[in-house]
Amino acid sequence: ETGVTQTPRHLVMGMTNKKSLKCEQHLGHNAMYWYKQSAKKPLELMFVYNFKEQTENNSVPSRFSPECPNSSHLFLHLHTLQPEDSALYLCASSLRTGDNEKLFFGSGTQLSVL
Amino acid sequence: GESVGLHLPTLSVQEGDNSIINCAYSNSASDYFIWYKQESGKGPQFIIDIRSNMDKRQGQRVTVLLNKTVKHLSLQIAATQPGDSAVYFCAEASGYSTLTFGKGTMLLVSP
Repeated sequence: ETGVTQTPRHLVMGMTNKKSLKCEQHLGHNAMYWYKQSAKKPLELMFVYNFKEQTENNSVPSRFSPECPNSSHLFLHLHTLQPEDSALYLCASSLRTGDNEKLFFGSGTQLSVL
Repeated sequence: GESVGLHLPTLSVQEGDNSIINCAYSNSASDYFIWYKQESGKGPQFIIDIRSNMDKRQGQRVTVLLNKTVKHLSLQIAATQPGDSAVYFCAEASGYSTLTFGKGTMLLVSP
């Protein structure tokens, strides 16, 4: 295990549903990330939180709403999604010391939007 | 070159062979590089990283080579095993930027 836990592992939702993805890290890191992984595309950075503050929003549609209540927990709230939002959503964390550092990933939530 | 899904570049090797996976990057300002391995149903797992002040770094059975002149990164896996079968991603960053990932290469190891 990497120390980053994501739930649920799989999620199927309709376009009118509201659901949330959860991520928890047990590594003592201070930064957390949401990535989207789709077929035929590289990993796409969605959001970055550093010490609970959002530091990056990569032009993500407002139907994705992140929440970071503390440095160990990260949520991604989903509402009125589109079928093209179906993908693997990965959470990651890192110890951001000011310079580049490696990310530790969870196993992801495989999301299917019907 | 890289792509994922149906068009993911694939490297097929025999067990025991050495594998070399290549990655080209375009940002000459990138100063940090990292390789990840992603097995089916799992998230990317860190393998090895290297900073731009180095040309080579070795880990357990893996070596990363960095050629800044041609902006090329490679991952060498010695004595490849079936458990090495996975998708391998390179990623780069410059300064304080967040990692930018390549599309990945699939490694298939046959016994």
